[in-house]
Amino acid sequence: GAGVSQSPSNKVTEKGKDVELRCDPISGHTALYWYRQSLGQGLEFLIYFQGNSAPDKSGLPSDRFSAERTGGSVSTLTIQRTQQEDSAVYLCASSLEGSGLRSNQPQHFGDGTRLSIL
Amino acid sequence: KNEVEQSPQNLTAQEGEFITINCSYSVGISALHWLQQHPGGGIVSLFMLSSGKKKHGRLIATINIQEKHSSLHITASHPRDSAVYICAVLSYNTDKLIFGTGTRLQVFP
Repeated sequence: GAGVSQSPSNKVTEKGKDVELRCDPISGHTALYWYRQSLGQGLEFLIYFQGNSAPDKSGLPSDRFSAERTGGSVSTLTIQRTQQEDSAVYLCASSLEGSGLRSNQPQHFGDGTRLSIL
Repeated sequence: KNEVEQSPQNLTAQEGEFITINCSYSVGISALHWLQQHPGGGIVSLFMLSSGKKKHGRLIATINIQEKHSSLHITASHPRDSAVYICAVLSYNTDKLIFGTGTRLQVFP
């Protein structure tokens, strides 16, 4: 399909393990966002990539979280030494360009990865 | 206090009823989004608006920038409208989306 694709859809792992979550944005979309939705909480911004610019990492909750975007397309969110509070749905979104004052582009969301830390 | 507040948190309705979900925000914004999250977790963008009103099918979204308030209306509601509806504002200062905690809507036949 032509939408944002995330994998895996579900991930269960033991506390202390590292996990990698993948996001494949819509082709041609230069902006990519990662969000987290914890149980009973609203969506929380994590990180934002726009083209070749340095990513905005201001939402990452700790240094155990990192993300890369290779070739301006696929992105990987990595969580090291997972903790139980990392359990959440991790959502990726993309848009044609950054959602700023000069842009009128909506964000398109993937179905998310449900991460459960035992 | 959350920067984006939605009401009600939960809403039940009979099929055919007119539904209104409200969103108030306290920050300067450049746009406001209404999103729909299905029970499986997938999120769909319904509207993005910065002024006035938009209509798509049975859905209508309005925004009053002066009052920092937006409403999402569903006319002739249907069980398939059952979902969580999320209001998100694009902060003018930070250029990031700030999300409300959502309104869970259940429409019964």
